[in-house]
Amino acid sequence: QSALTQPPSASGSPGQSVTISCTGTSSDVGGYKYVSWYQQHPGKAPKLMIYEVSKRPSGVPDRFSGSKSGNTASLTVSGLQAEDEADYYCSSYGISNGVFGGGTRLTVL
Amino acid sequence: EVQLVESGGGLVQPGRSLRLSCAASGFSFDDYDMHWVRQAPGKGLEWVSGITWNSGSIGYADSVKGRFTISRDNAKNSLYLQMSSLRTEDTALYYCAKDFYFGSGSYRLRAADYWGRGTLVTVSS
Repeated sequence: QSALTQPPSASGSPGQSVTISCTGTSSDVGGYKYVSWYQQHPGKAPKLMIYEVSKRPSGVPDRFSGSKSGNTASLTVSGLQAEDEADYYCSSYGISNGVFGGGTRLTVL
Repeated sequence: EVQLVESGGGLVQPGRSLRLSCAASGFSFDDYDMHWVRQAPGKGLEWVSGITWNSGSIGYADSVKGRFTISRDNAKNSLYLQMSSLRTEDTALYYCAKDFYFGSGSYRLRAADYWGRGTLVTVSS
């Protein structure tokens, strides 16, 4: 099962909104509701930010939102803050196994 | 507080074996499916293996199938990964991760809400 496709980088100024895409196939992203997003700061373990496409775990700010259309899922970070600078990974339940995207480095300018 | 603590990593020669452990606490371990996820230096995340709460269903990434074996001991609140025939491309930080869903009974990763800090495996001659 191939990795999901994410842009390698994204950026925005404080207060702006940024959207990161995650493209898969009908065998993963397009076929199931189980798309999740993880935030990873350097040297730290990943943190679950979004599950089931658009749901936020307790404690995750509502500045983080998720959506999906067809085989592409998206993570939007609104009101960018300096602490949002990190790597972001999407993940999807798949027909055979779970799969991650290659990751997107979000830079807050 | 949920804690996952990995151990067992180290430097190993290609072709040799290594066993990773993950000690879990702060939640009902035997109610949750568990996963191993790895991250090669400077690279992205890769799901390695998953096991259901009762060890009834197990899955592996194609890259490790036939070489790695996942297991768990619910009495000891512990998850394991036996790695054999190690290759240089297995060099990575190995994370233990708790499945988000209670008693889901699926080895396939849907979401993981708690992760350990990882244990580094370096395969080199």
